[in-house]
Amino acid sequence: IQMTQSPSSLSASVGDRVTITCRASQSISTYLNWYQQKPGKAPNLLIYAASSLQSGVPSRFSGSGSGTDFTLTISSLQPEDFATYYCQQSYSTPFTFGPGTRVDIK
Amino acid sequence: QVQLQESGPGLVKPSETLSLTCTVSGGSISSYYWNWIRQSPGKGLEWIGYISYSGSTNYNPSLKSRVTLSVDTSKNQFSLKLSSVTTADTAIYYCARDPLSSNAFDIWGQGTMVTVSS
Repeated sequence: IQMTQSPSSLSASVGDRVTITCRASQSISTYLNWYQQKPGKAPNLLIYAASSLQSGVPSRFSGSGSGTDFTLTISSLQPEDFATYYCQQSYSTPFTFGPGTRVDIK
Repeated sequence: QVQLQESGPGLVKPSETLSLTCTVSGGSISSYYWNWIRQSPGKGLEWIGYISYSGSTNYNPSLKSRVTLSVDTSKNQFSLKLSSVTTADTAIYYCARDPLSSNAFDIWGQGTMVTVSS
């Protein structure tokens, strides 16, 4: 299953609402996870099962979607949110990741 | 809290076997699936495979002929062997936990850089 993300990068300001889109090449129900990765660090799970917030993750992060189209929304961008975001399908093996969306400072 | 730590050589020669171990601390290796994932600039994040605490495995078909995962519950460790490496296997290798309840990778090791070079 191929995963695509858009945009590949974006520039935003603190306080902005940011939306990242992920698309699967076939239906994956809600088997979709989102990760945040900062330079030199491992990815960190934000959202699992398309819309469930991982424990300890701020509520400004939310996810939605099912089937082939999914979104990750950051309601009010904070300085610590500048990072790269990846989606990943867990519907079937081999598990696959999207190419990432880099969010940087405008 | 549960922590994962990868260990192994940072430099491997072409055609040789890459061997890494992930040590699980702060919790039991039982009742989870344990994954290896790698990241290279050219190919992004690539899932290598998983092993359960009981030893059942699932490998990425793109690597299946060269990958072996094993688990040692007595040491709370699981391991990756990747044979016949080439420069394309140069990457950061991560171990990660899948708690099954979420089918996601909820805990990751810090990652270890492995370079394939003569």
